Amino acid sequence: QKEVEQNSGPLSVPEGAIASLNCTYSDRGSQSFFWYRQYSGKSPELIMFIYSNGDKEDGRFTAQLNKASQYVSLLIRDSQPSDSATYLCAVVAGGGNKLTFGTGTQLKVEL
Amino acid sequence: DTGVSQNPRHKITKRGQNVTFRCDPISEHNRLYWYRQTLGQGPEFLTYFQNEAQLEKSRLLSDRFSAERPKGSFSTLEIQRTEQGDSAMYLCASSLDGVQPQHFGDGTRLSIL
Repeated sequence: QKEVEQNSGPLSVPEGAIASLNCTYSDRGSQSFFWYRQYSGKSPELIMFIYSNGDKEDGRFTAQLNKASQYVSLLIRDSQPSDSATYLCAVVAGGGNKLTFGTGTQLKVEL
Repeated sequence: DTGVSQNPRHKITKRGQNVTFRCDPISEHNRLYWYRQTLGQGPEFLTYFQNEAQLEKSRLLSDRFSAERPKGSFSTLEIQRTEQGDSAMYLCASSLDGVQPQHFGDGTRLSIL
């Protein structure tokens, strides 16, 4: 079982719709959870981070964490073509703050 | 405020050669991390520093790899006797401490001929 799992996609949504990206993790001791956006050929860019159960909103983005279910999600409201990218879920478990990444979900926002 | 800076952006070299990459973190950040990313995969952790101390190394970091952060500021990652399998994007990230999020540089893309 992979430590961090994501559906590779592609996930296609129409412009203006809500995109829902999901991630599950295996280590119950995981403490911190991050979403990075990565455009093709570019490096990961931090979008959201969440440490506690519940929802965290920032503009069009909402991160949701459920530690009991070992599940973290990212909602993107009013999706734009510029949101088309690969979204990487990353988790920190144990000391050191090293990130363990999923393989990413490719999002396509269609006009 | 400058972000994480990595040089060079691209490196093409022949198999068997040595290569060195440099990372300059965000100025006040104590933690510096190296990751490697291959096509279709998420970044994989290689090693990290707190100030000048190298605190953890992944099993991915074979004896051919060495990283330094001599004065707790910039870091270098050296790969000796490069192999085809070393072709990847090498990413550097930094964070203020062990809790705050990591911010990535633009990466160094290594191609082994």
